[in-house]
Amino acid sequence: KNQVEQSPQSLIILEGKNCTLQCNYTVSPFSNLRWYKQDTGRGPVSLTIMTFSENTKSNGRYTATLDADTKQSSLHITASQLSDSASYICVVDFSGSARQLTFGSGTQLTVLP
Amino acid sequence: NAGVTQTPKFQVLKTGQSMTLQCAQDMNHNSMYWYRQDPGMGLRLIYYSASEGTTDKGEVPNGYNVSRLNKREFSLRLESAAPSQTSVYFCASSERKVGGYTFGSGTRLTVV
Repeated sequence: KNQVEQSPQSLIILEGKNCTLQCNYTVSPFSNLRWYKQDTGRGPVSLTIMTFSENTKSNGRYTATLDADTKQSSLHITASQLSDSASYICVVDFSGSARQLTFGSGTQLTVLP
Repeated sequence: NAGVTQTPKFQVLKTGQSMTLQCAQDMNHNSMYWYRQDPGMGLRLIYYSASEGTTDKGEVPNGYNVSRLNKREFSLRLESAAPSQTSVYFCASSERKVGGYTFGSGTRLTVV
């Protein structure tokens, strides 16, 4: 079964600091890899989408990277803000079909003043 | 504002009761989805509709039914609620397979 594992489960940082969140996925080939931000009590919001041939994608202070050889992706957040406090979810689309969209359980990020 | 609207936002049911979760999108997307989100787990697909008039099972369809009423609306029905269906339910829509998904703000359902 295709799996997506995220680490750490939770992370606390001070405002203004940088951080990196990790995502590992299993061996099946995939169509694209996505990162979402989910604020408490809200639905996930798309940050980046990368195809298997891309190895980096930025969206403002968020930069996602992809290493298809090691089957790892990371999300780097620069100069964190209080509003970055949220769950960050890695999603792998293994075949381009809705039935193969696999969600990680997320990393809960807390940014303290 | 354009997006995906879900109703209700909160609901408490007794075991055995039925209810329908409503979802509507105003982005003219072809595909719509229902997910559930449980603590410590990733979102899991319950049912999806690739286009108006079609529906298909996802990873966890047991205990649920869906209706794609028209291009805008996709409802999820629990015929006989069970405590195991306590969860947060999200509706989403997308235009293309590789396109981003737009999620609603969720329905928090508790079955007692």
